Amino acid sequence: GAVVSQHPSWVICKSGTSVKIECRSLDFQATTMFWYRQFPKQSLMLMATSNEGSKATYEQGVEKDKFLINHASLTLSTLTVTSAHPEDSSFYICSARGQPNPSSGNTIYFGEGSWLTVV
Amino acid sequence: QKEVEQDPGPLSVPEGAIVSLNCTYSNSAFQYFMWYRQYSRKGPELLMYTYSSGNKEDGRFTAQVDKSSKYISLFIRDSQPSDSATYLCAMGISNFGNEKLTFGTGTRLTIIP
Repeated sequence: GAVVSQHPSWVICKSGTSVKIECRSLDFQATTMFWYRQFPKQSLMLMATSNEGSKATYEQGVEKDKFLINHASLTLSTLTVTSAHPEDSSFYICSARGQPNPSSGNTIYFGEGSWLTVV
Repeated sequence: QKEVEQDPGPLSVPEGAIVSLNCTYSNSAFQYFMWYRQYSRKGPELLMYTYSSGNKEDGRFTAQVDKSSKYISLFIRDSQPSDSATYLCAMGISNFGNEKLTFGTGTRLTIIP
């Protein structure tokens, strides 16, 4: 089963509003979480790296004030898209590094993704 | 030159065939290597990961890493229609707590029944 959970899976919001996406590591602590954006038929584009208790590190070209990332606990990181516009419509995916159980590896696991549509 | 090169396909093979997926990379600093499978409109699912050169097997999947040639492969034996998906290679560096994963573009694979 999934070891990283994202919520919501689908969200539609009006242009100009803000929307929050949650990423939770299930049954393991993740000191580092990553947020990606993926356009249709393209690979994942890293937006930012989120470390628990500190500010996120954003990739070049990603607006910090538009994509607010908070990693308040070892199992939860949130991405808030502020003042959303139709061009922000995309598939947003988080990942977390950790070891869900003794038999699994300490590696990077992805959430199921969140589809954002801004109308 | 991209850090990680992966043929986007599409690749179509008959059911039961052996599938070979490959990536090359240019950054010798990469420390670990992963393969993910991504179904349409879903997040990537981890298939295999390894930190060293050589082969690693898990069921029908074998991951192969050749650090000297900067080349990684994923083999799928006895391919099934359910294996139809996009396969992403990924490579990572972890440096003093800073970590970054670099992905290939993904190969779209279709297994024909």
